Amino acid sequence: AQTVTQSQPEMSVQEAETVTLSCTYDTSESNYYLFWYKQPPSRQMILVIRQEAYKQQNATENRFSVNFQKAAKSFSLKISDSQLGDTAMYFCAFTLFNTGNQFYFGTGTSLTVIP
Amino acid sequence: GAVVSQHPSRVICKSGTSVKIECRSLDFQATTMFWYRQFPKQSLMLMATSNEGSKATYEQGVEKDKFLINHASLTLSTLTVTSAHPEDSSFYICSARPGLAGGRVSTDTQYFGPGTRLTVL
Repeated sequence: AQTVTQSQPEMSVQEAETVTLSCTYDTSESNYYLFWYKQPPSRQMILVIRQEAYKQQNATENRFSVNFQKAAKSFSLKISDSQLGDTAMYFCAFTLFNTGNQFYFGTGTSLTVIP
Repeated sequence: GAVVSQHPSRVICKSGTSVKIECRSLDFQATTMFWYRQFPKQSLMLMATSNEGSKATYEQGVEKDKFLINHASLTLSTLTVTSAHPEDSSFYICSARPGLAGGRVSTDTQYFGPGTRLTVL
């Protein structure tokens, strides 16, 4: 069975500071993709960052970067220079390669950026 | 790229009526579309997966006769909540998976619509 665990239900960070959201997952497969999605108060799910499991290099998108540890099955998200607009629910997800693209989602971390 | 629209964004209906929600991929063709339900402060719960031209695959516990899904084209899927009841009130989100990669669109990624808030009185 495939599972995703986000152990931090709520977090807060001071504006301009850095915060790391944790995510662990469990699968016996070796080929998969990992994602972080952001869901602001508008509730629109927005893709933040994507990582292929076969790539050792950590993905980066502007202020967002991941720390992907395949052996530990860990996929944390680092947000640098936090902005008020980063306040949102963040979901970690993964999908197996070539299996119809069903996503497995974590329970989410609610992040609040404090001015 | 990778824009998905959903209509309506908000609907209020009386108990016993049916409601149709449309999900469209605006700038790509979607091989597969997904329908989710989300309760407040919870994660997304997959209801069904639909592939263009074939019957949808429903998750365990989801009534296929109550939640009718039609994926009539590569850019449109619809969810019809039949004989809606107050317990069907929820936030419904669709997503689409591109059939072809291109630009910033990836075939392994789901792109989400903005969601539909359904309230059944």
